[in-house]
Amino acid sequence: QVQLKESGPGLVQPSQTLSLTCTVSGFSLTSNSVHWVRQPPGKGLEWVGAIWSGGSTDYNSALKSRLSISRDTSKSQVFLKMNSLQTEDTAIYFCRGWELGYFDYWGQGVMVTVSS
Amino acid sequence: DIVMTQSPSSLAVSAGDKVTMSCKSSQSLLSSEYQGNYLSWFQQKPGQSPKLLISLASTRETGVPDRFIGSGSGTDFTLTISSVQAEDLAVYYCEQYYSYPTFGAGTKLELK
Repeated sequence: QVQLKESGPGLVQPSQTLSLTCTVSGFSLTSNSVHWVRQPPGKGLEWVGAIWSGGSTDYNSALKSRLSISRDTSKSQVFLKMNSLQTEDTAIYFCRGWELGYFDYWGQGVMVTVSS
Repeated sequence: DIVMTQSPSSLAVSAGDKVTMSCKSSQSLLSSEYQGNYLSWFQQKPGQSPKLLISLASTRETGVPDRFIGSGSGTDFTLTISSVQAEDLAVYYCEQYYSYPTFGAGTKLELK
């Protein structure tokens, strides 16, 4: 069965770099894309970026200068790195396996708090 | 970016009510290539990840009760719950994937 699980530090200091891992099972990273979506506490959903099945990436234009998404297909893992973190980056970060029209699975999310 | 506007922001309902919520996009989501509208509806309950209810504007996901009905095309879309149940109290989001995904701000279904 398809599963995605996010992991990473719960607390990051301002101006530091966030590193998150999404470990997937039940599907191949070379067949389906993986997206990152975040949700500030009590607020709505914001698409962060994606790594496509072919390995190319796309990023939210508002975050692009601070963001990098990569993967290790042998470990079925996708990585998110975001630098220069600010308090407004405090959010639940979800990873999501997606393909148009037939594949849409979400992880449980990981809460990231940016605070000194 | 395509802007998604949902209304109303909240709805107070009683069990058995018929509920309609709106989602409007700043440009058409109709793909001529795939003959469909690139719009999804999600349900999110507190402490949970979003659950996909409907994709391609009107295709209900497996296991989603048939009281959830998605309709619309182009820039105007609607999610209807034909007879609200207590377990439907949640926040509902629309999402477009015609271009890089963007979400509406959500409609919160609350108990009257």
